[in-house]
Amino acid sequence: GDSVTQMEGPVTLSEEAFLTINCTYTATGYPSLFWYVQYPGEGLQLLLKATKADDKGSNKGFEATYRKETTSFHLEKGSVQVSDSAVYFCALVGDYGGSQGNLIFGKGTKLSVKP
Amino acid sequence: GAGVSQSPSNKVTEKGKDVELRCDPISGHTALYWYRQSLGQGLEFLIYFQGNSAPDKSGLPSDRFSAERTGGSVSTLTIQRTQQEDSAVYLCASSLGGKGNQPQHFGDGTRLSIL
Repeated sequence: GDSVTQMEGPVTLSEEAFLTINCTYTATGYPSLFWYVQYPGEGLQLLLKATKADDKGSNKGFEATYRKETTSFHLEKGSVQVSDSAVYFCALVGDYGGSQGNLIFGKGTKLSVKP
Repeated sequence: GAGVSQSPSNKVTEKGKDVELRCDPISGHTALYWYRQSLGQGLEFLIYFQGNSAPDKSGLPSDRFSAERTGGSVSTLTIQRTQQEDSAVYLCASSLGGKGNQPQHFGDGTRLSIL
């Protein structure tokens, strides 16, 4: 079945450092891809999405590009802030006929940004 | 309210008791999803409703779990004869439709602890 693999954490960076969180997926067809973020003590929030190959999702300085050839959707940010400290989840929604539209999540990557 | 509302926010109960968790989706959202977040299993999909119908209940972990949705709005997830492995955060999400390109909006979850 469909699955998502993302890099294990925790990731600790200094403020203004460059961030990459790797995410790869296994799926039939053309799934929709998402990054969700969970800030401490808060619920899951959609960070960005891409619904077809070569689409780039972006929000709050974060970007991710849907790469069909490498089945990847890596999250990047050029300069992280302390306020970006959170757990980041890569996820997909399957494209096949039996899909219920549910999200399939990676395990999550905890990011800590130090001042 | 503007977002997905879940109640209770926390529930502590003894093993063997029944519990009922409630989700009030965003008004007008026809699709509703239940997920479970636990340390060992990450984020797992449980069940999906389109309107009042749940076309596939195979994601529910055992026959002790059931869910219903009435009036195309509020949903309840019921766990009978709770076990310690049921301890987790139960998340509800809603979206405008069941298609992958519609973002899912999450509630803050119900933290269930089985003693």
